[in-house]
Amino acid sequence: EVQLVESGGGLVKPGGSLRLSCAASGFTFSSYTMNWVRQAPGKGLEWVSSISSSSSYIYYADSVKGRFTISRDNTKNSLYLQMNSLRAEDTAVYYCARAKPEDYWGQGTLVTVSS
Amino acid sequence: DIQMTQSPSSLSASVGDRVTITCRASQGISNYLAWFQQQPGKAPKSLIYAASTLQSGVPSKFSGSGSGTDFTLTISSLQPEDFATYYCQQYNSYPYTFGQGTKLEIK
Repeated sequence: EVQLVESGGGLVKPGGSLRLSCAASGFTFSSYTMNWVRQAPGKGLEWVSSISSSSSYIYYADSVKGRFTISRDNTKNSLYLQMNSLRAEDTAVYYCARAKPEDYWGQGTLVTVSS
Repeated sequence: DIQMTQSPSSLSASVGDRVTITCRASQGISNYLAWFQQQPGKAPKSLIYAASTLQSGVPSKFSGSGSGTDFTLTISSLQPEDFATYYCQQYNSYPYTFGQGTKLEIK
């Protein structure tokens, strides 16, 4: 069974940093593109970033470019999102999702940016 | 960036009805179009990819069609569990973009 479990969310002050993790199981992690998608409270879905299976190709939404860094460790079946210079508008549930397009999603982790 | 516009934004229907949701891309995306269902407080669930291919395990009451710029999601014989918010997404080119969502409510 495919499982994606996010962690690392929480409350952080504007300008602060946070690192999200996504633990994958039930499939060959190293074979799949992985993604982060977020959803602000009461809003729609926003694609954030994607990383190819071997980390050769990485893409970001303009709204996070230069502040967020996606990475993966195929030996640990894990996906990461390093978030720096956080802003109030980054407040959202962050989902880890597999493949292109996304076929399996984690349950999400809430990031709240507030003073 | 490719803009995705869904219509309607909200829709009221009754159990047993058939409904159609439309998604329009601001430029041609071939068939690189996916549909997702999201229940309140839950993660999105993938329904359809490549505009018309059902994900494994998704019932055949869901169907998708279209190519280029205009796409539709049709849900037949609505059941209580189908009342949710539906999103389209283009994955033809980065940045991937979602429609604003269509909230399907019980009449």
